[in-house]
Amino acid sequence: EAGVTQSPTHLIKTRGQQATLRCSPISGHTSVYWYQQALGLGLQFLLWYDEGEERNRGNFPPRFSGRQFPNYSSELNVNALELEDSALYLCASNLAGGPNIQYFGAGTRLSVL
Amino acid sequence: EDKVVQSPLSLVVHEGDTVTLNCSYEVTNFRSLLWYKQEKKAPTFLFMLTSSGIEKKSGRLSSILDKKELFSILNITATQTGDSAIYLCAVEAVGGGADGLTFGKGTHLIIQP
Repeated sequence: EAGVTQSPTHLIKTRGQQATLRCSPISGHTSVYWYQQALGLGLQFLLWYDEGEERNRGNFPPRFSGRQFPNYSSELNVNALELEDSALYLCASNLAGGPNIQYFGAGTRLSVL
Repeated sequence: EDKVVQSPLSLVVHEGDTVTLNCSYEVTNFRSLLWYKQEKKAPTFLFMLTSSGIEKKSGRLSSILDKKELFSILNITATQTGDSAIYLCAVEAVGGGADGLTFGKGTHLIIQP
């Protein structure tokens, strides 16, 4: 069974540009979570999508946004990139209604120059 | 605000040693505590703990939760170089995925041959 897949693996952008990151959850999982892992800060919760709807967001500015598609895959968009957005962005999925064990993808490393 | 503190932040031991990693937390309406192992990028699930005093075990790894004192420990016996990784502790509040998981900064464990 395929795990959570994320693309691209690496992304290099310049300040002010937009970045789009993609995530495909484990088959059968309807919930998708996005986290930012910046150096020295640990994983910070960004967004939660379930059944196509944004259910909650963490303490991040509105230029971090996303969506979930009918096949439960998800996109994270970061507008007006800033240098401090450089981080590993991890996507996780879980089975709605079950214990909240989140399964993670390998992440997208975003570098903002 | 929910808070998870892991200690030590880094640890270097020799192969064969036993290690104990600590995780303390402050969370409103605690539901569960999870341990993950992050070797390169994707954190992989180790344990979920919900009840105090019940040890979860998988091979050389074990973990226990103390809900009164608000902490958990992860033990690794007879360590091997393949155990080198960042070990992440996360807590979940009641409400399921509403706030994602709150992660500690992790313990960077290095096993020397």
